[in-house]
This record gives sequence, structure tokens and C-alpha cells, in this order.
Amino acid sequence: EPEVTQTPSHQVTQMGQEVILHCVPISNHLYFYWYRQILGQKVEFLVSFYNNEISEKSEIFDDQFSVERPDGSNFTLKIRSTKLEDSAMYFCASSAERGETQYFGPGTRLLVL
Amino acid sequence: AQSVTQLGSHVSVSEGALVLLRCNYSSSVPPYLFWYVQYPNQGLQLLLKYTTGATLVKGINGFEAEFKKSETSFHLTKPSAHMSDAAEYFCAVTSNSGGYQKVTFGIGTKLQVIP
Repeated sequence: EPEVTQTPSHQVTQMGQEVILHCVPISNHLYFYWYRQILGQKVEFLVSFYNNEISEKSEIFDDQFSVERPDGSNFTLKIRSTKLEDSAMYFCASSAERGETQYFGPGTRLLVL
Repeated sequence: AQSVTQLGSHVSVSEGALVLLRCNYSSSVPPYLFWYVQYPNQGLQLLLKYTTGATLVKGINGFEAEFKKSETSFHLTKPSAHMSDAAEYFCAVTSNSGGYQKVTFGIGTKLQVIP
């Protein structure tokens, strides 16, 4: 069964450093998403991406964040200058169409020191 | 705006007993509703979803949920708990107000199954 994959599974970085989280969505899906879950809190929507542009974003997704689909298979989330409060589990998801089920990857646990 | 409330962050049941995980939603437009399950160190796996049509939806692993518009609820049930059901369960909602793109999750309910 096709699945969303994410790398790395864990990332430790120093405050102020840039990090890039990688995702490979399901191959025939058109919509891509990033969510995050701070420890003990809800899973929160960050951004959705379609046709090579952001289609929806939350107030969390500020100028420190960016997304990119650099080739036909990868979807990345970049945090330019990490803060302590960026420590969280980051989930990538994809769906075939808008409104269709979003399939989630296993997550990348980011720890900012 | 859309939101989800899950009553009970931890639920314990005996093996073989009924599982009932509660979820209430708020949405200004007709919602799509989901239950996801997360096993330790794994991602979110879809259990079941409601979009339109039949209000009782059946999912994987013997789970089902009923959409009750009058009660704004989407409770998850399973007649007989199995040890393998121990996991964290998330109720979620999306709607056309977010272009069906933004999924809003509840806080999650950790299910413990006692032998």
C-alpha cells in the first residue's frame, strides 16, 4: 500500500540554525500538507500546497517557514532560523484531491536546543 | 471556524469490553469528520471518515462512528476491545470553510486496554 515517508525521523539542531524536513508524498497525490504537534498539544495545521504554490496556511506559518516541491517526488518544509518553541513532531500528509482523505507520514521529531 | 472537543484524554477499558471515545465538533458549515489512530512511534492512520450520506460509518479494525448532527457528535465505538487497540485516537474535522484543506484535530484520547 502506498504511504507517505518522512526523513529524518529525528533531528536535533541549535537555536538559530536552519532545518529542512523532507517528505515523499504518495505518488499520484496532488495536495500536500504540513502539520505539527508540540508535545502534549493538538496536531496543528501549518500549510497546504497545490500546483506548486501555497493554497492555505495558518497563522503559525510565518516568514520563518517555507515549503517547496523541488522535484516530482519530494516536498520539503524549511525553518530558516529555529526557535526553542519550534520543537515538535512535524507531520507531512498528502491527498489525491481537495477534500479527499489526507494520508500522514510517520513524522519527524525536531528538537531545538 | 471549526473545532473538535474530545472528552477524556485517557480512557481505560478491559479487554472484551465496549470502547466508546467521545468527540464533539463545531463547524459553521457541513463538516467532514475523521478518526485517526496513532500507535507509538508511528504516524496518523485513518480509521474511518464521514463526508456525506449514511451517518453510521464503519472503519478498520472493527471500529465505527455515528454522525449525529443534532448533537454535533461523532463518537467512536468498538463492541469488544482488543489489546492491540491500545493507542492514541484523534477526532478531526474539515469543511469547505477551509477549502477542505485544513484539518483541525482534537487533543487526542489515549486508550488503555487492561487484560
